[in-house]
Amino acid sequence: AQSVTQLDSQVPVFEEAPVELRCNYSSSVSVYLFWYVQYPNQGLQLLLKYLSGSTLVKSINGFEAEFNKSQTSFHLRKPSVHISDTAEYFCAVSARTGANNLFFGTGTRLTVIP
Amino acid sequence: GAGVSQSPSNKVTEKGKDVELRCDPISGHTALYWYRQSLGQGLEFLIYFQGNSAPDKSGLPSDRFSAERTGGSVSTLTIQRTQQEDSAVYLCASSVDNHSGNEQFFGPGTRLTVL
Repeated sequence: AQSVTQLDSQVPVFEEAPVELRCNYSSSVSVYLFWYVQYPNQGLQLLLKYLSGSTLVKSINGFEAEFNKSQTSFHLRKPSVHISDTAEYFCAVSARTGANNLFFGTGTRLTVIP
Repeated sequence: GAGVSQSPSNKVTEKGKDVELRCDPISGHTALYWYRQSLGQGLEFLIYFQGNSAPDKSGLPSDRFSAERTGGSVSTLTIQRTQQEDSAVYLCASSVDNHSGNEQFFGPGTRLTVL
């Protein structure tokens, strides 16, 4: 089975400051890695994912995450946050073979302060 | 747009009653998932359907929980003899097929409150 740890349950950050949301995973098999975001009063939506190839993946709204196999991490970063980035962010993994379901972390609530 | 829809959006029930939660996946998506989002537990996988294959029920917390998917489309999650610990947001997701790297598209959820 797989598990995901998001150590920071809440991260407050001032507007235009950089942010890093940490994600570590544990798995006995190779995995795909995802970040999902849940904006206030909205459903979960995919932010970015790592399947293969370059270990640095980027979203259309300026977030990026880097897969680090040796540290089993997939931290999410943004160099300058906006008010509209206020949301809850979930890191997730799924096994490359076998079961298809996602295993989620407990989420990090990012609050951008004006 | 035709995203994943769920009904009802909110359900309040009394302990011991049965409830049914409905999910309409995106048209053409063959894979359908149910998850539960509860305080302190995060998002937990419940059950997965792929086409006409037998569902993966490995995440169901007890035999009070069951789900079916009729005609490869709409799915119903049933909780029998509800308990207070069943209170949570139940999320449905669908994806185009069973490749685990595919994006799962989530519905808005059903918030279940068991009194």
